[in-house]
Amino acid sequence: NAGVTQTPKFQVLKTGQSMTLQCAQDMNHNSMYWYRQDPGMGLRLIYYSASEGTTDKGEVPNGYNVSRLNKREFSLRLESAAPSQTSVYFCASRLQPPETQYFGPGTRLLVL
Amino acid sequence: QKEVEQNSGPLSVPEGAIASLNCTYSDRGSQSFFWYRQYSGKSPELIMSIYSNGDKEDGRFTAQLNKASQYVSLLIRDSQPSDSATYLCAVNEGGGADGLTFGKGTHLIIQP
Repeated sequence: NAGVTQTPKFQVLKTGQSMTLQCAQDMNHNSMYWYRQDPGMGLRLIYYSASEGTTDKGEVPNGYNVSRLNKREFSLRLESAAPSQTSVYFCASRLQPPETQYFGPGTRLLVL
Repeated sequence: QKEVEQNSGPLSVPEGAIASLNCTYSDRGSQSFFWYRQYSGKSPELIMSIYSNGDKEDGRFTAQLNKASQYVSLLIRDSQPSDSATYLCAVNEGGGADGLTFGKGTHLIIQP
């Protein structure tokens, strides 16, 4: 039982490049989330998915898109990366609100 | 705007003493409350969850919730150097699948 997994662990992009961050969970959870964490800002919600086939914007969705591929997988896409998107990205999942969320190990993204 | 406030610290506590961490939140409709511990470079790890007014104890940790005052606290008894980390307070409004609103975290240092 791996819990929540994320790939890649670390990525360097140039401004304007695109990439997809992958997240998968093996806990049969319904809800999945993407957060970003910046120094001094705490964790902020980017997008979430209440169930397979549904996605909704969080606090800071601009510049991102998401896909809930199936119950296990929830991806985050940066279409045209900007230096302001340099951050640590965490995926999380939970069975349903308001229960505990479990976090993946994170992806460190540097946009030059 | 939903807000969760924490003192950023650092909070320095001698080994063996009680560490007291505090958090206030703005949304009166909030229904579940979480304390996560985050070591530098790692993902948030759940310490305690609390859903109703009063105290909840788990080993050396006690979470306290006062919904009337919109206040959550975490007490760590017999503090150990391994407790040195950033502690994140997180709040979830009732219903739906909204993500958590996080405070910016309190940096706790346990002095040997």
